[in-house]
Amino acid sequence: QVQLQESGPGLVKPSQTLSLTCTVSGGSMSSGDYYWSWIRQPPGKGLEWIGHIYYTGSSFYNPSLKSRLSISVDTSKNQFSLKVSSVTAADTAVYYCARVVAHYDILTGHQHYDMDVWGQGTTVTVSS
Amino acid sequence: QTVVTQEPSLTVSPGGTVTLTCASTTGAVTSGYYPNWFQQKPGQAPRALIYSTSNKHSWTPDRFSGSLLGGQAALTLSGVQPEDEAEYYCLLYLAGAQLWVFGGGTKLTVL
Repeated sequence: QVQLQESGPGLVKPSQTLSLTCTVSGGSMSSGDYYWSWIRQPPGKGLEWIGHIYYTGSSFYNPSLKSRLSISVDTSKNQFSLKVSSVTAADTAVYYCARVVAHYDILTGHQHYDMDVWGQGTTVTVSS
Repeated sequence: QTVVTQEPSLTVSPGGTVTLTCASTTGAVTSGYYPNWFQQKPGQAPRALIYSTSNKHSWTPDRFSGSLLGGQAALTLSGVQPEDEAEYYCLLYLAGAQLWVFGGGTKLTVL
C-alpha cells in the first residue's frame, strides 16, 4: 500500500522560500505510470492544483503560480519536493502531495488518469 | 484560463438521491477531461471516489456513481447516508497542457 507523507517547516516568513518534501513509501516512484503532484488548500477555501512531476524530472505547473514554483524529484530517496519563492500571506495553506496513476486499459482502449493516493497534508503559515 | 464550477451547497435527506455537477467555462465536459471526484471531511485530506468519469475505487461505496450529464461531469449519491455529509470536489485534466483544475467544491448537507 503506497503512502505519501509531507514534511517541512510550518512557518515561513514573507518574501522567503517555502520548501516541502513528500516521501513515498510502499512503492517505487520510478514507474512510467505515475505523476507526482502538489495541491494546496488555503484556510476555509477549496483545493488548488500546484503542479506535478514525472519520475524523469519533467514538470508542469499551474500557470498562476508558475513564476514562483519549482518541483523536483529524487528517485533514489523516493521523494519529490516543492519550492515556492517570494511567499506572502496568500500562500498560507495546507499543502498536500498526491499520486496520479496514468494508465491505458488495453481491454477497453481507454486512457485513465486517477489521483488516487494523498498525503495527510501539512500546514504552512506565512507570517513574520 | 479554464474555470471549473460546482454548486456551492446542496441539501439532501437521508435515504434520498442527489446529483452534484461539474462544469467547465471552456465548454462541455467530456470523457477527455478524465473527471475525478473527491470527498473531504473537516480536518481530513481529500479521499478519491471516482476517476475517469465513472470508475470507482475499491473503497468507494456502491451508492456513489459518476457520469456525464448535459455537458457536465456528475456525481450521484443514491440512498444517502448521514456520513456522506462532506465537501465534494471535482477535478478535470487538461491533457494537452498537462494541467489539472479543481472545481470550487460542493458542501453537501444531509438533513
